[in-house]
This record gives sequence, structure tokens and C-alpha cells, in this order.
Amino acid sequence: GDSVTQMEGPVTLSEEAFLTINCTYTATGYPSLFWYVQYPGEGLQLLLKATKADDKGSNKGFEATYRKETTSFHLEKGSVQVSDSAVYFCALRVYNFNKFYFGSGTKLNVKP
Amino acid sequence: DTGVSQNPRHKITKRGQNVTFRCDPISEHNRLYWYRQTLGQGPEFLTYFQNEAQLEKSRLLSDRFSAERPKGSFSTLEIQRTEQGDSAMYLCASSLVLGLAGELFFGEGSRLTVL
Repeated sequence: GDSVTQMEGPVTLSEEAFLTINCTYTATGYPSLFWYVQYPGEGLQLLLKATKADDKGSNKGFEATYRKETTSFHLEKGSVQVSDSAVYFCALRVYNFNKFYFGSGTKLNVKP
Repeated sequence: DTGVSQNPRHKITKRGQNVTFRCDPISEHNRLYWYRQTLGQGPEFLTYFQNEAQLEKSRLLSDRFSAERPKGSFSTLEIQRTEQGDSAMYLCASSLVLGLAGELFFGEGSRLTVL
């Protein structure tokens, strides 16, 4: 079946540190991949996406590259800020199937 | 605000009572989804609508759960005879067209606490 596995948190970093949150997937078809972010007290919002192999999604300094050979979509940011503290969810959707599958989320805490 | 709106934001109820949540999607979106999220977990798919038609329901959705989307606009999710295991955040999301890049737009959720 379709599923997403992401690294467990919480991840605690100092401001300006490099961030990586690992995400791997299993898909029966050819998926689109997404990262959603949930700030405290808010709903999930799309951070970035990629729809085919080797695509790189980017937004707000975050990047993730769709790696079909390793079935991965790791989230990276070169220099995190306190305002990046949130829960990050990796998700996939197989085309022609109308459900999104989400990982369990990784909480990021950034300390000043 | 023209985003996805959910009400109530928080509901506390006693076991055995019925509860209903409402979702108002982004107005031009024809697809509407319900997800459930428990602490420390990602959203789990419950059901989705295209316009007024309910096209899929998760096997996780017991007979106590029912969802409607009359007229293809707002949707309601009703839980009958609530149990403590129903305590969770219920998320609504909408989308316009799910092409390869299609995304979901989420509301802030309705938190259910069953005592």
C-alpha cells in the first residue's frame, strides 16, 4: 500500500543551524510528494511539492528533491530561524487516487 | 478570510452523546476531505466528496460516523454515541482539481474531547 515514513522528533536546533528531516515513501503508483507545515495553533499549510522524479520543490528557504531511486523526499534548510519551529508532515498522493497519505510528523524546535 | 472554515473549534462532550462538526470549504473548490489527527500522528483519511457525492470512505470510519455535503457546498461530520477513542482533531480540507500538482487546503480543525 501507499505510505510515508518520516524521522521521529522532536528535532532541536540552534538558530542558523542546518536542518534535515528525512522522509521515505512506498507507493503503488507514481506519486506526487508534498511537505506540509503546522505552526502552533494553526492548520496544516503547504510548504512545497514535487510531482516527478528529480524535481526540487522550494519555498521560504526550504528545499526537497524527489528521489525515485531511493524513494525519498528529504526536507532541508540551510539556516533555520526560531520562526521555523513547527511540526512538519511529509505526504504523498498517487495520481488518479484522491487520498493524501501523511507521515506522523516531525516537530522542530529552534532555539535562539 | 476566504480559507477553509471549521466549527466548532473545540467540542467537549460526554461519552454516548452525538456531536456534529461543520466545514465550509473555499468557495470554488469542488472536493472536500475529512481527516482525523490524533496526538503525535499525521492526518488519517476518513472520507471525501466531489461536489455532493461521497466518493470514498475509509474502513476506519465506523457506522457511528456519517458525513454529508448537501448541495456540494459546506459539509457536516456527525459522530453518534461518542466513545473516548473518538477524541481527536478532525480536519477538513478542500481542493479544486487534483492534477499532478493539486494540493489540499486545510482548515484549523475541530478538536473533540470525549469525557
